[in-house]
Amino acid sequence: AQTVTQSQPEMSVQEAETVTLSCTYDTSENNYYLFWYKQPPSRQMILVIRQEAYKQQNATENRFSVNFQKAAKSFSLKISDSQLGDTAMYFCAFMKHGNTGKLIFGQGTTLQVKP
Amino acid sequence: EPEVTQTPSHQVTQMGQEVILRCVPISNHLYFYWYRQILGQKVEFLVSFYNNEISEKSEIFDDQFSVERPDGSNFTLKIRSTKLEDSAMYFCASSERASGVMNEQFFGPGTRLTVL
Repeated sequence: AQTVTQSQPEMSVQEAETVTLSCTYDTSENNYYLFWYKQPPSRQMILVIRQEAYKQQNATENRFSVNFQKAAKSFSLKISDSQLGDTAMYFCAFMKHGNTGKLIFGQGTTLQVKP
Repeated sequence: EPEVTQTPSHQVTQMGQEVILRCVPISNHLYFYWYRQILGQKVEFLVSFYNNEISEKSEIFDDQFSVERPDGSNFTLKIRSTKLEDSAMYFCASSERASGVMNEQFFGPGTRLTVL
């Protein structure tokens, strides 16, 4: 069975600084997808960034980038130039390649961006 | 921008009662999901649904749970006889595909279910 672990329950960062959220996972699958979802205080989850396991290049979306280390089964999220609106719970999630779309989530990291 | 909607936003019910949680997925999406999040805990997968059939379900999704797409727009989760431990936030999600580049899941705002 696949598992996702986020070892940082809470983090804080000063506005405009950079922060990295950690995520590790365990799987015997070779083909899968990894995601970071953001859940702001209003509680609707939105996708921040996704990575396909067969792609070696790390995904980037504007200020958000990942460090995907397949051999180490690590998938960290870096937020550059942090903004107050980045304050949220961040979930790392795993999906194996297939036809069911089941997402397995980590425990989440609460990020507080301080002015 | 299209979004997933859920009703009601908050449902309070007595233990043993039946509840139906409703979701309207994004119109061109073909895959539908329910997840739940007990307060302070991680988001857990319940079920995925495609072509009017369950694709996968978790151990949580026992005989007390059922899903249905009664028409072309709604996707419902029914809990037949609620238990105290069913109290949670229930999220509906939808996606165009289950795999590949269009497998991003879009989540609704959630329904908070409180079982007394």
